[in-house]
Amino acid sequence: GNSVTQMEGPVTLSEEAFLTINCTYTATGYPSLFWYVQYPGEGLQLLLKATKADDKGSNKGFEATYRKETTSFHLEKGSVQVSDSAVYFCALPTSSNTGKLIFGQGTTLQVKP
Amino acid sequence: DTAVSQTPKYLVTQMGNDKSIKCEQNLGHDTMYWYKQDSKKFLKIMFSYNNKELIINETVPNRFSPKSPDKAHLNLHINSLELGDSAVYFCASSLGATNSPLHFGNGTRLTVT
Repeated sequence: GNSVTQMEGPVTLSEEAFLTINCTYTATGYPSLFWYVQYPGEGLQLLLKATKADDKGSNKGFEATYRKETTSFHLEKGSVQVSDSAVYFCALPTSSNTGKLIFGQGTTLQVKP
Repeated sequence: DTAVSQTPKYLVTQMGNDKSIKCEQNLGHDTMYWYKQDSKKFLKIMFSYNNKELIINETVPNRFSPKSPDKAHLNLHINSLELGDSAVYFCASSLGATNSPLHFGNGTRLTVT
């Protein structure tokens, strides 16, 4: 079945640093890929998505490109802010067509001023 | 307007008690879910309902019983609470099709003492 693996955290960066959070997947076919963000004390929010190979999802300065060759969907941001401190989850649907999403283990990002 | 709302936000109770968590969505979605997030932020699906019908029931103790009175509501009842049930429980909804993003509530932090 489909699965997803994220880099382990926590990741600690200074403000304005460049961010990369790695995500690789295994999947049947070419499902959509998602990044979700969870701010402290809140639920998960959809950050961005890509629906097919070579698509780039982007939102709030974050980007991720759906790479079929490397089965990756790495999250990047050119200049992080303190307000970006959160837990980031990579996700994809299961192969069973139930609408269920499988989440990576989450990567905690802490940005220091 | 809150899209997916769950109550209560916090629940502290003793072992052996029975408790319920309620969830409502006003997005018009057909499918609703319960996810459990452990202390390491790992998310695991528990149940999914589509139009009031159970479609996913992962390996969850039968002390957990979901109920969907209509497609906008999905409640979770837990009998005989155990220490290991302490976690954050998230309700979510989606259109239900593969590749549909999930919309999450803000979670219910359950602490069993």
